[in-house]
Order: sequence, then structure tokens, then C-alpha cells
Amino acid sequence: EVKLVESGGGLVQPGRSLKLSCAASGFSFNDYWMGWVRQAPGKGLEWIGEINQDSSTINYTPSLKDKFTISRDNAQNTLYLQMSKLGSEDTAIYYCARDYYDGTYYYWYFDFWGPGTMVTVSS
Amino acid sequence: DIQMTQSPASLSASLGETVSIECLASEGISNDLAWYQQKSGKSPQLLIYAASRLQDGVPSRFSGSGSGTRYSLKISGMQPEDEADYFCQQSYKYPLTFGSGTKLEIK
Repeated sequence: EVKLVESGGGLVQPGRSLKLSCAASGFSFNDYWMGWVRQAPGKGLEWIGEINQDSSTINYTPSLKDKFTISRDNAQNTLYLQMSKLGSEDTAIYYCARDYYDGTYYYWYFDFWGPGTMVTVSS
Repeated sequence: DIQMTQSPASLSASLGETVSIECLASEGISNDLAWYQQKSGKSPQLLIYAASRLQDGVPSRFSGSGSGTRYSLKISGMQPEDEADYFCQQSYKYPLTFGSGTKLEIK
């Protein structure tokens, strides 16, 4: 069974940093692109970015490129999101998600999502 | 960035009714479009990809269509478990972008 579990969320003060983790199991982690998506309370989905299998390609949404860093450890089957200079606008549920692969092609859609971890930025 | 304009923002439907949700892209996206369902308090689930391909395990009452800039999700025969938020997402060009969502409720 494919499983993604995020951790590391919580209450953080404005201007501080936070690192989220996503533990993957039930599939060959190093065969897949992985991504992060966030959702502010009561709002829609915002794609943060994604990373390819060997970390040689990482794409970000432009507005977050200088604040957030995506990385992965294939030996530990773990995806990371390092967030810096956090502001109230970063308060959201953060989801990690697996990019879809049909056995032949990779698609930039997400076929499995974790339950999310809540990040609250407040003093 | 490609803007995805989703409509309506909300709708209510009776059980058994057929409903449609639309997404309009700000430029052609060559069928690189997915639809997700998100139930209250849960993470999104992929329903449709490549505009019209049904994800494994998704009931056949869900279907997707469209081309160019206009895409739609149809639910043929509303069921109680279909009450949820629905989002479209384009994968044609980075950054990936989502529609603003449609809240579907039972009338």
C-alpha cells in the first residue's frame, strides 16, 4: 500500500524557518518524481514544487523559489521541504504528493497524497 | 503562469442529477489537465488525468472532456459520497496551477 506521511508542522514565529518531512512507503520511492502542495485554511491548492528521482531537477513556483527548498533522501525514502523567512501567508496544510507514472510516461499530476501537516505562522 | 478559471464556485445537486464543472485555461494546455476530489478534512484524490482518463478505482459516473482551453468534469448521477470540493490542475507548463475549486453539495 502506498503511504505518504508528512511531519514537522506546528506553530512557528514569523521570520523563522521550519523543515517538513514526508516518509514514503509501499512503492519504489527512487522511481518517482515527488512534490509539495499547500492549502491555506478554507482556500484552494497551491503547487510549491517538485523534485525528480535523483534530485538533478527541482522546479518551484516562482513566488516561493527563494524561500523554500525541496530535497530528498532516497536511502531513507524521505522527501523534505525546508521553509525559511516564514510569514502569516505561509499558514497552510502542507501535502506531499507523488507524481503519476503509468509505467511508460510520467505525468505532472499527483496520484497519491499524504494527509498533510499543518503549519501555523504566528507570534 | 497559466491561469485556471474554474466555475461554478459552488453548486448543489439532487441525488441522481448530472452535474458539470468547468475549467478555462488562459492558454491552450493540450489536454494536460487533471481533476481532483477533496472531501472535508481529507487530502485530494486524483479522479481524471490527461483530461479524460479515469484513474483506477474511480467510479465510471465521473468523466472528463475538453480540448484547447476548455475542460469539464461531469458526474452522471450524483451520489451522497460525491459531496466534496473539486479542483482542476494543468500540467502543461510550469508552474503547475490549480483552479480555485468548486464546492459540490447535495440539495
